[in-house]
Amino acid sequence: EAQVTQNPRYLITVTGKKLTVTCSQNMNHEYMSWYRQDPGLGLRQIYYSMNVEVTDKGDVPEGYKVSRKEKRNFPLILESPSPNQTSLYFCASSKGPGNSYNSPLHFGNGTRLTVT
Amino acid sequence: GQNIDQPTEMTATEGAIVQINCTYQTSGFNGLFWYQQHAGEAPTFLSYNVLDGLEEKGRFSSFLSRSKGYSYLLLKELQMKDSASYLCAVVGGYQKVTFGIGTKLQVIP
Repeated sequence: EAQVTQNPRYLITVTGKKLTVTCSQNMNHEYMSWYRQDPGLGLRQIYYSMNVEVTDKGDVPEGYKVSRKEKRNFPLILESPSPNQTSLYFCASSKGPGNSYNSPLHFGNGTRLTVT
Repeated sequence: GQNIDQPTEMTATEGAIVQINCTYQTSGFNGLFWYQQHAGEAPTFLSYNVLDGLEEKGRFSSFLSRSKGYSYLLLKELQMKDSASYLCAVVGGYQKVTFGIGTKLQVIP
């Protein structure tokens, strides 16, 4: 089954304790992206990757890191989490953004992160 | 920069038709997506427009006017399961995808 898999689904942690949220897709998609979703703010892009070893900042990259060593994996790293990073996070992938009808984003099930 | 506006909430009756509007200002335009998101779940793709006009997919249709920076999603024969948030997302210059805050639709009996 074609899917984007995120783990964990729920995570409670404390300020400053490094964490990684994993994301994997099995559709051979080139484009992958991380979003956070907060009430009243919608989905905001954190980082995206157009292909292996190519990553770029989105709208809210501060406090986050990513890597794209393999096509299928795009982990999100919080080196020193803070309470303002408490949010619902989504990983997404597509064949590529742009004017192709067949390039919608496929989303993972989300990771609800709480930083105390 | 990119700015996308859509109503925050709407309510409609089961069996009726509802139109959800989205207006945008972007530097460059490479298409507009609509996604559906049920509470606590991931967004799922509904429709895509890159040329002016109407795209129809069953009970759902989406319209685009590039000159007006305007799109709408039309839902016909509303069902209770259509209660969800509907997200407008614009692909702007440099293929940057920006989402609106979403319109929460409540379908009532």
